[in-house]
Amino acid sequence: ETGVTQSPTHLIKTRGQQVTLRCSSQSGHNTVSWYQQALGQGPQFIFQYYREEENGRGNFPPRFSGLQFPNYSSELNVNALELDDSALYLCASSLRDRIGYTFGSGTRLTVV
Amino acid sequence: GQNIDQPTEMTATEGAIVQINCTYQTSGFNGLFWYQQHAGEAPTFLSYNVLDGLEEKGRFSSFLSRSKGYSYLLLKELQMKDSASYLCAVRDVDSWGKLQFGAGTQVVVTP
Repeated sequence: ETGVTQSPTHLIKTRGQQVTLRCSSQSGHNTVSWYQQALGQGPQFIFQYYREEENGRGNFPPRFSGLQFPNYSSELNVNALELDDSALYLCASSLRDRIGYTFGSGTRLTVV
Repeated sequence: GQNIDQPTEMTATEGAIVQINCTYQTSGFNGLFWYQQHAGEAPTFLSYNVLDGLEEKGRFSSFLSRSKGYSYLLLKELQMKDSASYLCAVRDVDSWGKLQFGAGTQVVVTP
């Protein structure tokens, strides 16, 4: 049983640029959630995808968008990057109506 | 909305016991999770409580009181590898995938 895989592991971008982060969910999981974790803070919920549709969103602006593919993998896109977007971005997969969430190791994004 | 509070840091000696408290205020409650996170790594699942009472799993136990909006994670027989951040998270009743996390408690285990 494979876990959750995220790519890339580290990324440096310039303010104003766009970035795409990728997540492969755990085998058998059909729901993907994305979180932003600033240094020294707990993860903050960005949004969730189920059956290729967004069905829950946290307090993040529209420049944060995502996709889920038929194989349940997912992308997080962030446009017009700001310095405050520097954080660890975590992906978590789960099976809807089940308890467990499996987190990936995250992508460390630095905006300069 | 939800507000999750937990201490910032706790220090304990190897072999000792540490209790991490978590209080929450929520408009809807559908379970409380505890995760362990080592620096630069993924959060890993420790425990889940949805009913009042104590859940025991090896050296780790978690307790929940829904009426008090209170949980604790008990770590027994501390080992050096237990040095990590411990995250309390509450699941919203209206959104299956949404976990509201506290800021985490950094546990430092000393020899």
